[in-house]
Amino acid sequence: DVKVTQSSRYLVKRTGEKVFLECVQDMDHENMFWYRQDPGLGLRLIYFSYDVKMKEKGDIPEGYSVSREKKERFSLILESASTNQTSMYLCASSLPLTGRPYEQYFGPGTRLTVT
Amino acid sequence: GNSVTQMEGPVTLSEEAFLTINCTYTATGYPSLFWYVQYPGEGLQLLLKATKADDKGSNKGFEATYRKETTSFHLEKGSVQVSDSAVYFCALSDRTGANNLFFGTGTRLTVIP
Repeated sequence: DVKVTQSSRYLVKRTGEKVFLECVQDMDHENMFWYRQDPGLGLRLIYFSYDVKMKEKGDIPEGYSVSREKKERFSLILESASTNQTSMYLCASSLPLTGRPYEQYFGPGTRLTVT
Repeated sequence: GNSVTQMEGPVTLSEEAFLTINCTYTATGYPSLFWYVQYPGEGLQLLLKATKADDKGSNKGFEATYRKETTSFHLEKGSVQVSDSAVYFCALSDRTGANNLFFGTGTRLTVIP
């Protein structure tokens, strides 16, 4: 079974702190994604990566950055956390698009609260 | 552009009732369609999918048929159980880029005994 793990289930940080959210997948997937989930808005894509050291902006990249130094690990960084970044953060991975869309596998999520 | 619209919740049903959650989409080209489910305190997991028009995806008693003429992918189950209580997300992949998914806003289902 594919397993996607996230470093924390719950996290509380103060405004202005630098925050790292870590995601690791064990299935050698090329693609990895970071979403945030907010009530009434569904899932919104922050960043994705289709290879080591490669990254692409999603729909809402402002205030975030990412790092992918190894294939299995994709980190989301909040350079200076703000209260409007309080949310549930979900990481996902998948095989690349090769003529058929493979499903994305999700981690359990990190609920981040910024005070 | 790509977008998914699903019925607003929350939906509350009695056990053994019939479930329909509506989902319509807008997409360029020929998307693939998915239903994901999120149980309390967990991440999303794939429930079912359909990759071309008239395909029917099914899993755990849930079904959805890819209707190109009505751009719809409604989720149905004949007899819901308390354990089906969750949030359900409709999503599409436009088969481009890095296999990105576009999600609806989610529908919360609560099944009462």
